[in-house]
Amino acid sequence: NAGVTQTPKFQVLKTGQSMTLQCAQDMNHEYMSWYRQDPGMGLRLIHYSVGAGITDQGEVPNGYNVSRSTTEDFPLRLLSAAPSQTSVYFCASRLRTSGGASEQFFGPGTRLTVL
Amino acid sequence: DAKTTQPTSMDCAEGRAANLPCNHSTISGNEYVYWYRQIHSQGPQYIIHGLKNNETNEMASLIITEDRKSSTLILPHATLRDTAVYYCIVRAPRNTDKLIFGTGTRLQVFP
Repeated sequence: NAGVTQTPKFQVLKTGQSMTLQCAQDMNHEYMSWYRQDPGMGLRLIHYSVGAGITDQGEVPNGYNVSRSTTEDFPLRLLSAAPSQTSVYFCASRLRTSGGASEQFFGPGTRLTVL
Repeated sequence: DAKTTQPTSMDCAEGRAANLPCNHSTISGNEYVYWYRQIHSQGPQYIIHGLKNNETNEMASLIITEDRKSSTLILPHATLRDTAVYYCIVRAPRNTDKLIFGTGTRLQVFP
């Protein structure tokens, strides 16, 4: 298993440009999430999904869109990039369990700079 | 969900046990204690989680006090590769996908 993969690893955008950060997992996990991490800070949740066709907002959703058409993929779209979106973006997935508590598997991250 | 308090930083000699404390005095009965770590700029890595009982896996042990208001993550024989930021997170099952990462404890393992 490749686990959680993210592309690209690095990206530089100009203000106003749009782009999509890709995230894929091959573990057949129902749940997937997107986080961002600013320098010296912990991760903050952007959007999450509990299954194909179902998404919801996290703590910092403004400026981002998501969709979940398949179990494997959960792309994050930046509609009009702003310097405040310069950050490291992590995608995560986890298996649905009967008790509800389970570990999240994180991808390696995408480092985004918006000029 | 309960708030957690962790020391900002800790040091540990290589080969010794690293004991990382976490205070979660407002924890509710159905909330789990999770530990993750982040090595340098990599994605966070799950370590262990527990509800009431102490837990052990190949990476670490988790000791939860009887009143569940605090816990300790134990790395039994710390290595230089264990140098990382360690996050203690308390979440109810319905919020497992909405992890809240604070600033964690920066553990430095020295030779």
